[in-house]
Amino acid sequence: AQTVTQSQPEMSVQEAETVTLSCTYDTSENNYYLFWYKQPPSRQMILVIRQEAYKQQNATENRFSVNFQKAAKSFSLKISDSQLGDTAMYFCAFMFQGGSEKLVFGKGTKLTVNP
Amino acid sequence: DAEITQSPRHKITETGRQVTLACHQTWNHNNMFWYRQDLGHGLRLIHYSYGVQDTNKGEVSDGYSVSRSNTEDLPLTLESAASSQTSVYFCASSDSRDLTYNEQFFGPGTRLTVL
Repeated sequence: AQTVTQSQPEMSVQEAETVTLSCTYDTSENNYYLFWYKQPPSRQMILVIRQEAYKQQNATENRFSVNFQKAAKSFSLKISDSQLGDTAMYFCAFMFQGGSEKLVFGKGTKLTVNP
Repeated sequence: DAEITQSPRHKITETGRQVTLACHQTWNHNNMFWYRQDLGHGLRLIHYSYGVQDTNKGEVSDGYSVSRSNTEDLPLTLESAASSQTSVYFCASSDSRDLTYNEQFFGPGTRLTVL
């Protein structure tokens, strides 16, 4: 079974600075997807960024980028120029490609951006 | 606009009562999922469905049931509510016909308290 580990329960960063959230996962599969979801205080789950395991190039979405290390089974999220609106819970998630399309989530990292 | 809704948004019930949480999506997605979110556990999969008349058990299915009689709805029933089922429940949907982008879209969540 796949497992996803987020080792940082809480983090904080100053506005305009850069922060990196860690995620590791365990799987015997070769083809899969990885996701970062954001959950602000409104509780809505919002997809931040997505990475296909077969792609070597790291995904980027504006201020959000990932460092995907397939051999190390590591998938960290970097947030550049942090904004107050980035304050949220962040969840790393795994999905096996071509299978059940179920998401397996980590326990989350609570990020606070301080003014 | 297409969307996914959940009702009620908040529910307080008593131990032993049957409770049904509604989930409705207007994207015509074939896949639908129910997750529960608890502090320290992230989101865990309860049940999921790949289409009408199809249902499957997830990681934490004991005490829950679902039925899929049409594409738009996947109600979640707690047969006899227990205090351990106090949680926030999220419904999600995705379109498996889109082989290049399999994002799950989440509803706003239902906070259930079992007294």
